[in-house]
Amino acid sequence: EAGVAQSPRYKIIEKRQSVAFWCNPISGHATLYWYQQILGQGPKLLIQFQNNGVVDDSQLPKDRFSAERLKGVDSTLKIQPAKLEDSAVYLCASSGRGRSDGYTFGSGTRLTVV
Amino acid sequence: AQSVTQPDIHITVSEGASLELRCNYSYGATPYLFWYVQSPGQGLQLLLKYFSGDTLVQGIKGFEAEFKRSQSSFNLRKPSVHWSDAAEYFCAVATFGNEKLTFGTGTRLTIIP
Repeated sequence: EAGVAQSPRYKIIEKRQSVAFWCNPISGHATLYWYQQILGQGPKLLIQFQNNGVVDDSQLPKDRFSAERLKGVDSTLKIQPAKLEDSAVYLCASSGRGRSDGYTFGSGTRLTVV
Repeated sequence: AQSVTQPDIHITVSEGASLELRCNYSYGATPYLFWYVQSPGQGLQLLLKYFSGDTLVQGIKGFEAEFKRSQSSFNLRKPSVHWSDAAEYFCAVATFGNEKLTFGTGTRLTIIP
């Protein structure tokens, strides 16, 4: 089966600019996750979707980050305006039924804010 | 809330030597435990997972892990490492109800000839 697709692979922007990342999960997977991985740290969950509804966005900086999952399939994560500390790898993951199915990760988008 | 501790930030091992990476978790009930590997510039690849049953689980690439409830540990082992095993290794836990993965800070593995 095809894996989790993410684009772009790399992005460099100036601070205060906006940026968007796209994720297409494995077909049929109801749950989609966005993680932020800062260099030298483990991934941190930003937002979790179940179909097109938000399950957990407690760690999402809502003043600048937004995410949507229209039609319960692919998802977009946006940052506006970006800060230097947003430089990180943004990973998307999907799961069929949560922890019992396991989680499949995409290759990530590496964001550099200068 | 659940948490994961990986006490070793960086480990260096000679090629062909054995490996053990430590992982401790904090959670009241039986967690679902995972080990992922991340090569530079790549996403996370699942090595193995533990849900229940036999506490010694086998994974891909010759890795295994043992769940020890009394020690709240889930250590990853490999009897003989290869140069291609050099990567970052993450332990993670998922719990009933929220179905989200919580990761440790990772252990970077360096292999020397």
